[in-house]
Amino acid sequence: AQTVTQSQPEMSVQEAETVTLSCTYDTSENNYYLFWYKQPPSRQMILVIRQEAYKQQNATENRFSVNFQKAAKSFSLKISDSQLGDTAMYFCAFWDAQGGSEKLVFGKGTKLTVNP
Amino acid sequence: NAGVMQNPRHLVRRRGQEARLRCSPMKGHSHVYWYRQLPEEGLKFMVYLQKENIIDESGMPKERFSAEFPKEGPSILRIQQVVRGDSAAYFCASSQSRGRPDTQYFGPGTRLTVL
Repeated sequence: AQTVTQSQPEMSVQEAETVTLSCTYDTSENNYYLFWYKQPPSRQMILVIRQEAYKQQNATENRFSVNFQKAAKSFSLKISDSQLGDTAMYFCAFWDAQGGSEKLVFGKGTKLTVNP
Repeated sequence: NAGVMQNPRHLVRRRGQEARLRCSPMKGHSHVYWYRQLPEEGLKFMVYLQKENIIDESGMPKERFSAEFPKEGPSILRIQQVVRGDSAAYFCASSQSRGRPDTQYFGPGTRLTVL
């Protein structure tokens, strides 16, 4: 079974600084997708960024970028120029499409607080 | 262009009652996924449905829980004889077709509280 591990339950960063959230996963598949979702206090799940395993280039979306290390099964999220609105829970997720089904497998999350 | 709708947003039930959670997927989407988020946890997959079919229910508890997605109307997640441990946020997501993970759009969730 696929597993996703986020080893940092909580993190904080000063506004305008950079922070990196860690994620590791375990899979025997060669082609797969990885995601970072943001969940603000409203609890709405918002897709931040995704990475396709067959692409070597790290994905980037404005201030959000990933460091994808396939051999190490590591998928960290870097937030540059942190803003107060970035305060939220961040979940790393793996798209599992084995056995004719498909679903997202989530880590336990990292609570990020951006301080003014 | 309405997104995924879930209702109610908040639901309070006493132990032993039934809870019915509804999910209307985005227009044109025929695939629905239900996830549960316990306090201080990530989302956990429960069930994957297409219209009138259950594709994968491997994440559903064996008893008291059921799900359907009829030809007409919303998808329903039903919890019979609720217990305190069922208190959680339940999220629905929908997609247009299989094989494209970036098209799983999430609803705002239903927060179930069991007294």
